[in-house]
Amino acid sequence: DGGITQSPKYLFRKEGQNVTLSCEQNLNHDAMYWYRQDPGQGLRLIYYSQIVNDFQKGDIAEGYSVSREKKESFPLTVTSAQKNPTAFYLCASAVGISYNEQFFGPGTRLTVL
Amino acid sequence: AQSVSQHNHHVILSEAASLELGCNYSYGGTVNLFWYVQYPGQHLQLLLKYFSGDPLVKGIKGFEAEFIKSKFSFNLRKPSVQWSDTAEYFCAATGANNLFFGTGTRLTVIP
Repeated sequence: DGGITQSPKYLFRKEGQNVTLSCEQNLNHDAMYWYRQDPGQGLRLIYYSQIVNDFQKGDIAEGYSVSREKKESFPLTVTSAQKNPTAFYLCASAVGISYNEQFFGPGTRLTVL
Repeated sequence: AQSVSQHNHHVILSEAASLELGCNYSYGGTVNLFWYVQYPGQHLQLLLKYFSGDPLVKGIKGFEAEFIKSKFSFNLRKPSVQWSDTAEYFCAATGANNLFFGTGTRLTVIP
C-alpha cells in the first residue's frame, strides 16, 4: 500500500526545545517537500529535496532544518530559533521536481506550549 | 515573483447551487496548474490538473476547471454542489522548482 506517512499526528513541545517531524514515503519518488499550513495563508514551502543528500530552502526556511540521507525519508527539525512554530506541517513527494503532481501525507499538528 | 491568488476566502452555498472558485497565477512561462482539496480531517488530495492540451479539464467528483492563458486564470467549477463538497480548496501552479499554492478557499455547503 503506497503512500506517505507522517508521525506523530499531534506533537506538543515546550518553548526552547527542538523537535523532529518524521516523513516517510514508499512511492519511490525522487522529490520531497515540507510545507507549513496556517489559517488564511495556504501552504508555504519550508524546504524541498530533489535527490538524496541534497535539499533547498523554500520561502520560510528560517528556524527549520532538514536532512535527506535516504530516498524514502525527509525529516524536518523545528528548532528553537523558529519564532512561531505552532502550525500544521505537511510533507509531500513527487516523481520529479515541480512539473508533477505532489502527493501529501496526513500532516503533523505541532503546538508549542 | 511567482504567485497564485484565490479571491474567495469563504464561500457558502446551498446544495444544488453552482460553484465557481477563482484562481489567478502570475508566471510568464509554461505552467502546470492544479486544484487540490482538503476535506475535514483528511489528506490534501488532487482534484484535477492541467499540463497541456484541452484547456477544459475534468477531475474527480464532477469538478472541472478551465485554463484561460490570456487571463492567467484556472477557475474551478461544479454545476451542482453537494453537502459532501464542504472542504478547503487550493489552487497551485508550478514554478521553477516547486509548486506555488494559493491561500485556499473554504467552501461550506448547506443542506
